[in-house]
Amino acid sequence: EVQLVESGGGLVQPGGSLRLSCAASGFTFSSYRMNWVRQAPGKGLEWVSYISSSSSTIYYADSVKGRFTISRDSAKNSLYLQMNSLRVEDTAVYYCARDLGRIGVSGRGFLHWGQGTLVTVSS
Amino acid sequence: QSALTQPRSVSGSPGQSVTISCTGTSNDVGGFDYVSWYQQHPGKAPKLIIYDVSDRPSGVPDRFSGSKSGNTASLTISGLQAEDEADYYCCSYAGTYRVFGAGTKVTVL
Repeated sequence: EVQLVESGGGLVQPGGSLRLSCAASGFTFSSYRMNWVRQAPGKGLEWVSYISSSSSTIYYADSVKGRFTISRDSAKNSLYLQMNSLRVEDTAVYYCARDLGRIGVSGRGFLHWGQGTLVTVSS
Repeated sequence: QSALTQPRSVSGSPGQSVTISCTGTSNDVGGFDYVSWYQQHPGKAPKLIIYDVSDRPSGVPDRFSGSKSGNTASLTISGLQAEDEADYYCCSYAGTYRVFGAGTKVTVL
Protein backbone atom coordinates (compact mmCIF):
# COMPACT_ATOMS: atom_id res chain seq x y z
CA GLU A 1 0.00 0.00 0.00
CA VAL A 2 1.32 3.39 -0.99
CA GLN A 3 1.81 5.71 1.97
CA LEU A 4 2.97 9.31 2.09
CA VAL A 5 3.44 10.87 5.52
CA GLU A 6 4.27 14.55 5.86
CA SER A 7 5.88 16.13 8.89
CA GLY A 8 7.65 19.31 9.95
CA GLY A 9 4.76 21.75 9.97
CA GLY A 10 4.17 24.22 12.76
CA LEU A 11 3.99 27.87 13.77
CA VAL A 12 6.68 30.19 12.45
CA GLN A 13 7.09 33.95 12.38
CA PRO A 14 7.10 35.92 9.11
CA GLY A 15 10.56 35.82 7.60
CA GLY A 16 11.35 32.53 9.27
CA SER A 17 12.20 29.11 7.85
CA LEU A 18 10.77 25.63 8.05
CA ARG A 19 11.65 22.28 6.46
CA LEU A 20 8.91 19.84 5.56
CA SER A 21 9.50 16.12 5.06
CA CYS A 22 7.46 13.45 3.32
CA ALA A 23 8.23 9.80 4.10
CA ALA A 24 7.24 7.46 1.28
CA SER A 25 6.57 3.73 1.44
CA GLY A 26 4.82 1.00 -0.51
CA PHE A 27 6.38 1.83 -3.88
CA THR A 28 9.78 2.32 -5.50
CA PHE A 29 10.29 5.94 -4.46
CA SER A 30 13.32 6.47 -6.70
CA SER A 31 11.23 5.77 -9.81
CA TYR A 32 8.49 8.34 -9.32
CA ARG A 33 8.16 12.08 -9.83
CA MET A 34 6.93 13.96 -6.76
CA ASN A 35 5.19 17.24 -5.96
CA TRP A 36 4.17 19.56 -3.15
CA VAL A 37 0.65 21.00 -3.22
CA ARG A 38 -0.75 23.37 -0.60
CA GLN A 39 -4.17 24.51 0.55
CA ALA A 40 -4.72 27.67 2.55
CA PRO A 41 -7.45 27.44 5.21
CA GLY A 42 -10.85 27.44 3.52
CA LYS A 43 -9.26 27.92 0.11
CA GLY A 44 -8.48 25.83 -2.97
CA LEU A 45 -5.51 23.72 -3.97
CA GLU A 46 -2.31 25.36 -5.22
CA TRP A 47 0.53 23.43 -6.87
CA VAL A 48 3.84 24.46 -5.27
CA SER A 49 6.73 22.44 -6.70
CA TYR A 50 7.77 19.39 -8.77
CA ILE A 51 10.88 17.21 -8.75
CA SER A 52 11.75 14.48 -11.22
CA SER A 53 12.75 10.99 -10.13
CA SER A 54 16.45 11.77 -10.58
CA SER A 55 16.20 15.34 -9.21
CA SER A 56 17.45 16.59 -12.57
CA THR A 57 14.30 18.62 -13.28
CA ILE A 58 12.70 20.93 -10.74
CA TYR A 59 9.86 23.42 -11.13
CA TYR A 60 8.30 25.97 -8.79
CA ALA A 61 5.18 28.08 -8.72
CA ASP A 62 5.92 31.76 -9.20
CA SER A 63 4.55 32.44 -5.71
CA VAL A 64 7.39 30.48 -4.03
CA LYS A 65 10.23 30.73 -6.55
CA GLY A 66 13.44 31.90 -4.92
CA ARG A 67 12.17 31.14 -1.40
CA PHE A 68 11.36 27.40 -1.42
CA THR A 69 13.64 24.51 -2.38
CA ILE A 70 12.42 21.00 -3.18
CA SER A 71 14.72 18.01 -2.81
CA ARG A 72 14.62 14.25 -2.35
CA ASP A 73 16.73 11.49 -0.84
CA SER A 74 16.08 8.09 -2.40
CA ALA A 75 18.21 6.34 0.23
CA LYS A 76 15.76 7.60 2.84
CA ASN A 77 12.65 7.38 0.62
CA SER A 78 11.95 10.97 1.49
CA LEU A 79 10.86 14.21 -0.16
CA TYR A 80 11.63 17.61 1.34
CA LEU A 81 10.56 21.23 1.05
CA GLN A 82 12.85 23.88 2.53
CA MET A 83 10.82 27.03 3.03
CA ASN A 84 12.65 30.31 3.67
CA SER A 85 11.49 33.93 3.96
CA LEU A 86 8.04 32.71 4.93
CA ARG A 87 5.07 35.04 4.52
CA VAL A 88 1.65 35.11 6.13
CA GLU A 89 0.18 34.03 2.78
CA ASP A 90 2.22 30.80 2.92
CA THR A 91 -0.07 29.58 5.73
CA ALA A 92 -1.58 26.34 4.46
CA VAL A 93 -1.78 22.59 4.72
CA TYR A 94 1.07 21.21 2.65
CA TYR A 95 0.56 17.89 0.87
CA CYS A 96 3.14 15.75 -0.87
CA ALA A 97 1.70 14.05 -3.92
CA ARG A 98 3.05 11.34 -6.20
CA ASP A 99 2.74 11.59 -9.97
CA LEU A 100 0.46 9.14 -11.72
CA GLY A 101 3.10 7.31 -13.73
CA ARG A 102 6.80 6.53 -13.76
CA ILE A 103 7.42 7.36 -17.40
CA GLY A 104 6.09 9.67 -20.07
CA VAL A 105 4.81 13.16 -19.44
CA SER A 106 4.71 14.22 -15.80
CA GLY A 107 1.79 16.21 -14.46
CA ARG A 108 -0.89 13.91 -15.87
CA GLY A 109 -2.33 13.56 -12.39
CA PHE A 110 -1.48 13.22 -8.72
CA LEU A 111 -2.53 9.68 -7.81
CA HIS A 112 -1.35 9.42 -4.20
CA TRP A 113 -1.49 12.09 -1.50
CA GLY A 114 -0.33 12.34 2.07
CA GLN A 115 -2.57 13.57 4.87
CA GLY A 116 -0.89 16.98 4.91
CA THR A 117 1.01 19.06 7.45
CA LEU A 118 -0.15 22.50 8.59
CA VAL A 119 2.20 25.45 8.33
CA THR A 120 1.10 28.62 10.10
CA VAL A 121 3.02 31.84 9.49
CA SER A 122 2.07 34.44 12.06
CA SER A 123 3.60 36.89 14.50
CA GLN B 1 0.18 30.93 -13.66
CA SER B 2 -3.41 32.08 -13.19
CA ALA B 3 -5.89 29.66 -11.62
CA LEU B 4 -8.31 27.89 -13.92
CA THR B 5 -11.91 29.13 -13.78
CA GLN B 6 -14.57 26.91 -12.22
CA PRO B 7 -18.10 27.72 -11.05
CA ARG B 8 -18.18 28.27 -7.31
CA SER B 9 -21.01 25.78 -6.80
CA VAL B 10 -23.37 23.39 -8.55
CA SER B 11 -26.19 21.32 -7.15
CA GLY B 12 -28.48 18.49 -8.14
CA SER B 13 -30.91 15.96 -6.76
CA PRO B 14 -30.00 12.31 -6.25
CA GLY B 15 -29.98 10.49 -9.58
CA GLN B 16 -29.53 13.65 -11.63
CA SER B 17 -26.43 14.65 -13.56
CA VAL B 18 -24.27 17.71 -12.92
CA THR B 19 -21.45 19.14 -15.02
CA ILE B 20 -18.56 21.27 -13.78
CA SER B 21 -16.64 23.40 -16.25
CA CYS B 22 -12.96 24.31 -16.02
CA THR B 23 -11.73 27.09 -18.29
CA GLY B 24 -8.12 27.90 -18.94
CA THR B 25 -6.04 29.12 -21.84
CA SER B 26 -4.10 27.72 -24.76
CA ASN B 27 -1.08 27.60 -22.43
CA ASP B 28 -2.67 25.02 -20.15
CA VAL B 29 -6.05 23.30 -20.73
CA GLY B 30 -6.17 24.05 -24.44
CA GLY B 31 -2.56 23.16 -25.10
CA PHE B 32 -2.36 19.69 -23.62
CA ASP B 33 -4.56 16.64 -23.08
CA TYR B 34 -3.46 16.41 -19.45
CA VAL B 35 -6.38 17.65 -17.40
CA SER B 36 -7.08 15.90 -14.10
CA TRP B 37 -9.93 16.18 -11.62
CA TYR B 38 -9.91 15.73 -7.84
CA GLN B 39 -12.63 15.11 -5.29
CA GLN B 40 -12.09 16.43 -1.76
CA HIS B 41 -14.31 15.78 1.23
CA PRO B 42 -13.99 18.10 4.26
CA GLY B 43 -10.84 17.47 6.25
CA LYS B 44 -9.57 14.87 3.79
CA ALA B 45 -6.81 14.78 1.21
CA PRO B 46 -7.85 15.17 -2.45
CA LYS B 47 -8.59 12.05 -4.46
CA LEU B 48 -7.78 11.69 -8.17
CA ILE B 49 -10.94 10.79 -10.12
CA ILE B 50 -10.03 11.70 -13.73
CA TYR B 51 -6.68 12.01 -15.52
CA ASP B 52 -5.66 12.61 -19.14
CA VAL B 53 -8.96 14.52 -19.63
CA SER B 54 -11.21 11.44 -19.55
CA ASP B 55 -9.50 8.40 -17.99
CA ARG B 56 -10.48 7.03 -14.59
CA PRO B 57 -8.09 5.46 -12.09
CA SER B 58 -8.93 1.98 -10.92
CA GLY B 59 -11.80 1.99 -8.45
CA VAL B 60 -13.41 5.25 -9.54
CA PRO B 61 -17.05 4.68 -10.55
CA ASP B 62 -17.95 5.22 -14.20
CA ARG B 63 -20.51 7.80 -13.03
CA PHE B 64 -17.60 10.21 -13.25
CA SER B 65 -16.60 11.24 -16.77
CA GLY B 66 -14.42 13.94 -18.26
CA SER B 67 -14.15 15.75 -21.56
CA LYS B 68 -12.49 18.76 -23.16
CA SER B 69 -13.26 21.22 -25.92
CA GLY B 70 -10.79 23.96 -26.72
CA ASN B 71 -9.73 25.74 -23.54
CA THR B 72 -12.53 24.27 -21.42
CA ALA B 73 -12.59 20.90 -19.70
CA SER B 74 -15.65 19.42 -18.04
CA LEU B 75 -16.43 16.87 -15.35
CA THR B 76 -19.85 15.19 -15.40
CA ILE B 77 -21.24 13.25 -12.47
CA SER B 78 -24.12 11.06 -13.59
CA GLY B 79 -26.58 9.43 -11.23
CA LEU B 80 -25.65 11.81 -8.42
CA GLN B 81 -25.33 10.16 -5.01
CA ALA B 82 -25.21 11.60 -1.51
CA GLU B 83 -21.54 10.69 -1.13
CA ASP B 84 -20.68 12.80 -4.18
CA GLU B 85 -21.24 15.95 -2.12
CA ALA B 86 -17.72 17.39 -1.97
CA ASP B 87 -15.38 19.96 -3.46
CA TYR B 88 -14.05 19.26 -6.95
CA TYR B 89 -10.88 20.70 -8.48
CA CYS B 90 -9.56 20.56 -12.01
CA CYS B 91 -5.84 20.71 -12.71
CA SER B 92 -3.89 21.14 -15.92
CA TYR B 93 -0.36 20.37 -16.99
CA ALA B 94 1.29 23.51 -18.41
CA GLY B 95 4.85 22.50 -19.16
CA THR B 96 6.98 23.92 -16.38
CA TYR B 97 4.08 24.26 -13.98
CA ARG B 98 0.73 22.76 -13.06
CA VAL B 99 -2.33 24.87 -12.33
CA PHE B 100 -5.47 24.11 -10.36
CA GLY B 101 -8.95 25.53 -10.63
CA ALA B 102 -10.44 27.45 -7.72
CA GLY B 103 -12.75 24.57 -6.90
CA THR B 104 -16.46 23.81 -7.17
CA LYS B 105 -18.68 22.75 -4.31
CA VAL B 106 -21.17 20.09 -5.36
CA THR B 107 -24.31 19.95 -3.22
CA VAL B 108 -26.70 17.01 -3.36
CA LEU B 109 -30.16 18.37 -2.65
